[in-house]
Amino acid sequence: DAGVIQSPRHEVTEMGQEVTLRCKPISGHNSLFWYRQTMMRGLELLIYFNNNVPIDDSGMPEDRFSAKMPNASFSTLKIQPSEPRDSAVYFCASSSPPGGGEQYFGPGTRLTVT
Amino acid sequence: AQSVAQPEDQVNVAEGNPLTVKCTYSVSGNPYLFWYVQYPNRGLQFLLKYITGDNLVKGSYGFEAEFNKSQTSFHLKKPSALVSDSALYFCAASGGYNKLIFGAGTRLAVHP
Repeated sequence: DAGVIQSPRHEVTEMGQEVTLRCKPISGHNSLFWYRQTMMRGLELLIYFNNNVPIDDSGMPEDRFSAKMPNASFSTLKIQPSEPRDSAVYFCASSSPPGGGEQYFGPGTRLTVT
Repeated sequence: AQSVAQPEDQVNVAEGNPLTVKCTYSVSGNPYLFWYVQYPNRGLQFLLKYITGDNLVKGSYGFEAEFNKSQTSFHLKKPSALVSDSALYFCAASGGYNKLIFGAGTRLAVHP
């Protein structure tokens, strides 16, 4: 398996622009997670899905952030409008068994908002 | 509130010496426990996990972790450190519904 795939790997955009990050989980995994990592705040869970249904979005910073999972093999994280403080590395991870399966992380998308 | 603590921001070890990266948890029930490693500009990689059974869990790259229920700890260990082990290490505990609660991370620096 190719592992969790994220695109783009790097994104540089101007403040106010819309940004869409994409994730393809490992085939057969039924849980998908979006994280954000910064030096100041460390690793933060933004939202996670189980069987394509959002379970907990309490980590989403504000209404400018939204996430979707239209099917088992694809998810997006959208920021509209983007702000410089959104600059971070965004990771997608997926896992399989219920109740504590290890998560497998993608390589991340490094977002820079100028 | 459920939490995972990694009390050391950084651990410095000489190559060839044993290393320990500490982790304690405060999670209800009998959580599953995990260690992950992150190399620069990479995603987190799974190292090992404890579910039940033997308190000493062996994982990738010669790492092992010791579960101690009475101390609610899950310390990561390696008998002989390598310079290539230098990375950021995260401890995590299951928080229900496949969710993981991560510690803040500990930077391991192995010096030649």
